[in-house]
Amino acid sequence: DGGITQSPKYLFRKEGQNVTLSCEQNLNHDAMYWYRQDPGQGLRLIYYSQIVNDFQKGDIAEGYSVSREKKESFPLTVTSAQKNPTAFYLCASTPGVAGAYEQYFGPGTRLTVT
Amino acid sequence: ILNVEQSPQSLHVQEGDSTNFTCSFPSSNFYALHWYRWETAKSPEALFVMTLNGDEKKKGRISATLNTKEGYSYLYIKGSQPEDSATYLCASQTGTASKLTFGTGTRLQVTL
Repeated sequence: DGGITQSPKYLFRKEGQNVTLSCEQNLNHDAMYWYRQDPGQGLRLIYYSQIVNDFQKGDIAEGYSVSREKKESFPLTVTSAQKNPTAFYLCASTPGVAGAYEQYFGPGTRLTVT
Repeated sequence: ILNVEQSPQSLHVQEGDSTNFTCSFPSSNFYALHWYRWETAKSPEALFVMTLNGDEKKKGRISATLNTKEGYSYLYIKGSQPEDSATYLCASQTGTASKLTFGTGTRLQVTL
């Protein structure tokens, strides 16, 4: 079954610790995205990658870092510099890098930092 | 309009009712308008991706229209069923790169 997996579903961390969220896809999609959801707000783009070894900042990249060493993997690191890390994080992918493609979403990871 | 706005924020209807939601988006540099359905404990799933002014798309009991000149889209659900209960997201795509700006969603609850 093709799709996007995110792990873990729930993640708890202490303030000051970096944490890495996993996102894997077996859809052979070129582009991958990370979004954050907060109560009362729309999904906001953190980072996106159109090709292996390349990525661009989204609207709220501060305090986050990503890598794209393999086509199928796009991990997101929430660093201690992120002031409000507690949120729901969604990963998505699209078949191509330019065009009106629907986005395919993973199940999400809920991160709680105390 | 600088952001993507959706209304109403939430809606509670009875089974069999027909309903509709609105999505307003910036009309400048428009490329595509996306609708997604997000059921509780599941991943968001695409309903429609629309690009042409005046376009109308349909999937079963759900349909959507698009007005790119004035910057709005309507999503219609005919004869709502409990399984339609979900949050409906719209997102605007400006430019060919698949970056989306999402609205806050309309939460629909359909009861028997």
